[in-house]
Amino acid sequence: AQSVTQLDSQVPVFEEAPVELRCNYSSSVSVYLFWYVQYPNQGLQLLLKYLSGSTLVKGINGFEAEFNKSQTSFHLRKPSVHISDTAEYFCAVSGFGNEKLTFGTGTRLTIIP
Amino acid sequence: AAGVIQSPRHLIKEKRETATLKCYPIPRHDTVYWYQQGPGQDPQFLISFYEKMQSDKGSIPDRFSAQQFSDYHSELNMSSLELGDSALYFCASSSSHRVTYEQYFGPGTRLTVT
Repeated sequence: AQSVTQLDSQVPVFEEAPVELRCNYSSSVSVYLFWYVQYPNQGLQLLLKYLSGSTLVKGINGFEAEFNKSQTSFHLRKPSVHISDTAEYFCAVSGFGNEKLTFGTGTRLTIIP
Repeated sequence: AAGVIQSPRHLIKEKRETATLKCYPIPRHDTVYWYQQGPGQDPQFLISFYEKMQSDKGSIPDRFSAQQFSDYHSELNMSSLELGDSALYFCASSSSHRVTYEQYFGPGTRLTVT
C-alpha cells in the first residue's frame, strides 16, 4: 500500500516570492508521483508527473518538482508566485500500471498581494 | 481536445433517495476511476473499471454500485443516501495503451444530500 504526507496544510506566500510545497510518500514498491492543482469549485488539473528518468520534472504554470528517492520526497517549487496560483495543491502516488491514485491531504496555497 | 464529461454537475437529493452519476471518458480511454471528495478533504478512491470489468475497489459503501458500459461510459449508482454522502464525485479516465498512465479528471458532480 502507498501513502502520501503533505506536511503543510496551509502556506501563505507573498506575491513574486518563491514557494515550496512539501510531499513525502511511502511505498514498498516503485511508484509514479503526481502533483494536481484544484482551483476553487473546480476539478483536478495535472501540474506535473514523475514516471522515471530525470529527477527534476517541469510542469505547467512555471512549477517544477524534484524526486528524491532516498528521502522519499517529491517537493513542488515555483520561483515566483502569482495571485492566480491561489489554489489547493494535492500530491498523489500510484503504482505502476493503470492503478488508482492515493492523494495527500492537500496544501492550500494563499498568495498575499 | 475532448475532456472527461460528468453529468449532472450538481445534484440535490433527500436522505434515503437514490442518485445516478454519469461519466463519459475521453475517446479511446479504456479505464475509468471514481473518486469521492468530502468537504475540505482529499479525493478518496472508490472504484475503477478497465475494459468494462471492475479492476479495483476502494472504500466504496455497499449502498453504492457502478459499472462501465460497452461505449466505455460509466455510471455510479448510490442508494439509501445519507447526509455523509454529500461530496464532490470525480470521474477520471486513462488509456492503458499510453505509458504515462495519466488520469484525466472530469469537473465533478457535486452531490448534496438534505
